[in-house]
Amino acid sequence: ETGVTQTPRHLVMGMTNKKSLKCEQHLGHNAMYWYKQSAKKPLELMFVYNFKEQTENNSVPSRFSPECPNSSHLFLHLHTLQPEDSALYLCASSQDFSGTGELFFGEGSRLTVL
Amino acid sequence: LAKTTQPISMDSYEGQEVNITCSHNNIATNDYITWYQQFPSQGPRFIIQGYKTKVTNEVASLFIPADRKSSTLSLPRVSLSDTAVYYCLVGDMNTGFQKLVFGTGTRLLVSP
Repeated sequence: ETGVTQTPRHLVMGMTNKKSLKCEQHLGHNAMYWYKQSAKKPLELMFVYNFKEQTENNSVPSRFSPECPNSSHLFLHLHTLQPEDSALYLCASSQDFSGTGELFFGEGSRLTVL
Repeated sequence: LAKTTQPISMDSYEGQEVNITCSHNNIATNDYITWYQQFPSQGPRFIIQGYKTKVTNEVASLFIPADRKSSTLSLPRVSLSDTAVYYCLVGDMNTGFQKLVFGTGTRLLVSP
């Protein structure tokens, strides 16, 4: 138990569906992140939020839409995805952008796009 | 950004000590070295972090030579449950985690 909870753990969706991934952290952290991990590829940083403000968007397609209503919750809204978007989506949090440098990851949401 | 180079894979047996070396030739003065462990279908987990010399915790040791151009993660007496991917990251913790890059890591396989 890392203190970062992701739901759902598994999701199958068609290319025309709209779904959302949810992340909640119980650590009192101020920064939250979305990463994508495709098969046999390194983790790719997608979005970064610090104190609810988005500070990083690594050229992610608009079919991925993040939302951070407060420092404890982070969503990734999915719309009109492609099969190549199938991956493990990981949420992480950290106290802020400085300090010990420890990222706390959730267990991920395994997404399959048909 | 300091680029890191690690072996793609390593094999070991239970009870052995495993040393995974990471090269980071262009490490900057303010950069720290951090190692993460990732099991299949789970998020990475922080193992250890250091700046120079040696750091030890209940899980591993991290050896960093004086020139800091490399670092070695040492796992004492590995067990089957240590089979995982190990990532070496180098970056300035004060300038944002978005500058930390996860590479392909080292896939460690521990056999009976």
